[in-house]
Amino acid sequence: QVLLQESGPGLVRPSQTLALTCTVPGGSISTDNYYWTWIRQPAGKGLEWIGRVYATGDTKYSSSLKSRVIISVDSSKNQFSLKLSSVTAADTAVYYCARFVAVPGPRDIRYFDLWGRGILVTVSS
Amino acid sequence: DIQLTQSPSFLSASVGDRVTITCRASQDISSYLTWYQQKPGTAPKVLIYTASTLQSGVPSRFSGSGAGTEFTLTISSLQPEDFATYYCQQLDTYPVTFGQGTRLEIK
Repeated sequence: QVLLQESGPGLVRPSQTLALTCTVPGGSISTDNYYWTWIRQPAGKGLEWIGRVYATGDTKYSSSLKSRVIISVDSSKNQFSLKLSSVTAADTAVYYCARFVAVPGPRDIRYFDLWGRGILVTVSS
Repeated sequence: DIQLTQSPSFLSASVGDRVTITCRASQDISSYLTWYQQKPGTAPKVLIYTASTLQSGVPSRFSGSGAGTEFTLTISSLQPEDFATYYCQQLDTYPVTFGQGTRLEIK
């Protein structure tokens, strides 16, 4: 199964900006009904949705993180990116990128079908 | 934000058992409920979407039901590979939210 691929630094200093990139294989980033998503998971805890971007650049963000998050897309590189500013130790987590499929119809289809393997980002001085 | 509450949070069961996990939403989410399975060190894997549609390749012992605010995931006969953590997720309204997870362990 084709996977998305997260990349970026594994260590970020407190108060700095966490920056990650997700590479989408096969040039599908501009395909209709695909939304590109970031999720994170602190060690031993549950999943937290961070936000998503569409190929047009339209974004939606988590209520708790929206003041610090920017998600953007670069269709020419088949990549989308996450920037999380003013990080603290509480932002230490495995960060996943994923594809959100949302197909309208008589019975809409909506789910996250492809995921990356995840990247551990530690916030520490 | 829509809150999802899973029960139980922890479940101990034996191979061959039938188990049910419940997910309750704080408001009506129609049928936009997805179930994921996650094993340690790996990304979540979709099992069921739109409350009851089995993802391609997922064994038929998994089934989902419900609508509105109450949903269930049932595993009809547990296999050794099913011991994992299960999450529900709502995709009705932004922001997307997840349940807190149900850890299924071998008795």
